[in-house]
Amino acid sequence: QQQVKQSPQSLIVQKGGISIINCAYENTAFDYFPWYQQFPGKGPALLIAIRPDVSEKKEGRFTISFNKSAKQFSLHIMDSQPGDSATYFCAARAFGSGSARQLTFGSGTQLTVLP
Amino acid sequence: NAGVTQTPKFQVLKTGQSMTLQCAQDMNHEYMSWYRQDPGMGLRLIHYSVGAGITDQGEVPNGYNVSRSTTEDFPLRLLSAAPSQTSVYFCASSYSSGGAYGYTFGSGTRLTVV
Repeated sequence: QQQVKQSPQSLIVQKGGISIINCAYENTAFDYFPWYQQFPGKGPALLIAIRPDVSEKKEGRFTISFNKSAKQFSLHIMDSQPGDSATYFCAARAFGSGSARQLTFGSGTQLTVLP
Repeated sequence: NAGVTQTPKFQVLKTGQSMTLQCAQDMNHEYMSWYRQDPGMGLRLIHYSVGAGITDQGEVPNGYNVSRSTTEDFPLRLLSAAPSQTSVYFCASSYSSGGAYGYTFGSGTRLTVV
């Protein structure tokens, strides 16, 4: 049972273009939605995160759009650069206790930005 | 500031062998967790701890054991390694305070079971 579904699996974008990665979730108890960036041989690193009380959050070239009614959120990378080439994971965390308070990850998107 | 330190970085085991993956954090985080990363499956939670002496199972706990005797350390033990445990393992520490959350991941241990 995959609680967070991520698409696409891979994405190729030209330098300067917009990269868009989408995630959908089922659990309405999720209250924290981070995006992680992972380079080969490294651990995931927090890129940007959003809470469900806002519809958009922007940090530099990275924007999260959040649609609570549709239970979807997406990452937009503006002016994509070759250095953005990495694997991106969406994740979610629920309020409550136990394992629900740990992160549930999407399956990942391999982004390649062509020079 | 080391953050989360995992050792070893690489390991090859034979089927049936046991080993311990080490994880240490120096941020005084209350929570620690272990994930495994497999192609096309993202990161899946193995075990987690909400404080010293308290551990619980995640999504894929079978074949793994954990303990947390101190705030800093959270080792993951493979009791009898199987090829299905070939994966990249990540340890994370995290905090939750006033509605703010923070997760820090280690650089991973790549394990191959032959």
